[in-house]
Amino acid sequence: AQRVTQPEKLLSVFKGAPVELKCNYSYSGSPELFWYVQYSRQRLQLLLRHISRESIKGFTADLNKGETSFHLKKPFAQEEDSAMYYCALNVSSGGYQKVTFGTGTKLQVIP
Amino acid sequence: NAGVTQTPKFQVLKTGQSMTLQCAQDMNHEYMSWYRQDPGMGLRLIHYSVGAGITDQGEVPNGYNVSRSTTEDFPLRLLSAAPSQTSVYFCASSSLTSGTNEQFFGPGTRLTVL
Repeated sequence: AQRVTQPEKLLSVFKGAPVELKCNYSYSGSPELFWYVQYSRQRLQLLLRHISRESIKGFTADLNKGETSFHLKKPFAQEEDSAMYYCALNVSSGGYQKVTFGTGTKLQVIP
Repeated sequence: NAGVTQTPKFQVLKTGQSMTLQCAQDMNHEYMSWYRQDPGMGLRLIHYSVGAGITDQGEVPNGYNVSRSTTEDFPLRLLSAAPSQTSVYFCASSSLTSGTNEQFFGPGTRLTVL
């Protein structure tokens, strides 16, 4: 069974401080992991995916298969980063897909 | 493209009433799913579908029914509403052939059951 754990419900940091949102997963196969973000009064949207290894809005995330983690990092937090962040694990093959989300972490950036 | 649309945006029901939450997408996505979002519990998968005529249960399917008669529509039915079903419901869709597996979300339906 696939499972995603985000241990922090709320993370408060000061503007300019580094941010790390934790995500651990449980899956026996090869994982496909994503970070989604939900800004206030907006719909959930994709932030980044591990396959593309990109940096979006200054955020990066590295898949660590040994630690089964996919933590989201940003060196300097901005006020506009305040939002709800969800880590998600996708399992798909041959026309089948199932996506499991973590419980989410609310990031609060203090001015 | 309208993307993923959901109706209604808000709904108040009495215990025992039934209703259908509508979800439609115009991106020709094969995969569609329903989640409920509750404080401290994140997004929990209710039901999902990988194509017309194919549905499957997610993590919390009890009290909900779905059907997928067309690629575009994936309605969620509450058979007999209970206060425990008070939540925000999100519909999502994605392509199984694009290779990105990005989920596109609707704006949500806020449901209150009294």
